[in-house]
Amino acid sequence: GQQVMQIPQYQHVQEGEDFTTYCNSSTTLSNIQWYKQRPGGHPVFLIQLVKSGEVKKQKRLTFQFGEAKKNSSLHITATQTTDVGTYFCAGGSTSGTYKYIFGTGTRLKVLA
Amino acid sequence: EAQVTQNPRYLITVTGKKLTVTCSQNMNHEYMSWYRQDPGLGLRQIYYSMNVEVTDKGDVPEGYKVSRKEKRNFPLILESPSPNQTSLYFCASGAGGSRYEQYFGPGTRLTVT
Repeated sequence: GQQVMQIPQYQHVQEGEDFTTYCNSSTTLSNIQWYKQRPGGHPVFLIQLVKSGEVKKQKRLTFQFGEAKKNSSLHITATQTTDVGTYFCAGGSTSGTYKYIFGTGTRLKVLA
Repeated sequence: EAQVTQNPRYLITVTGKKLTVTCSQNMNHEYMSWYRQDPGLGLRQIYYSMNVEVTDKGDVPEGYKVSRKEKRNFPLILESPSPNQTSLYFCASGAGGSRYEQYFGPGTRLTVT
């Protein structure tokens, strides 16, 4: 079945350093979404990417969707303590349904 | 306020005792879904619904039932809960169409002993 691998599993950075998490799907995706979950909270939608090679920016966050629509990345520039949490990607099936496979998440810890 | 609500937020029950976790959204969303979250496994989709009376299996549907009789509600039913269904459950909703973003409820922590 379809799998979405996400790396790294954990990342500790000093405040001000950059951070990147990667998602790789075993199959082509129709779209990919990124979510952030704070400790004890629920996932919160960040962005969706639909087009091959798409790049979107939200302030210090940059999201990319691969040309083959099988991989994606989230890059945070100059991390802040407010960036702490777990970041998940969610890949949408190309079958026309709303079946989603989530990556296992990257837990980010920012040291002040 | 636009939101997804779940009840109960916490539940401890025993093996085999039927239970229902309710989910309601006030955003007139077409799409609703249930996920379970387990350490190291991320979020796994249980069931989803594209509209009233339309439901489909996600990745881990065994042991669960759902129904979508009204647009705003999407209850999750465990007919005979087992300890391996101990987990954190999230309901989510979305507008559907080309808008794929999902809005999650606060979660229900279920323990089955």
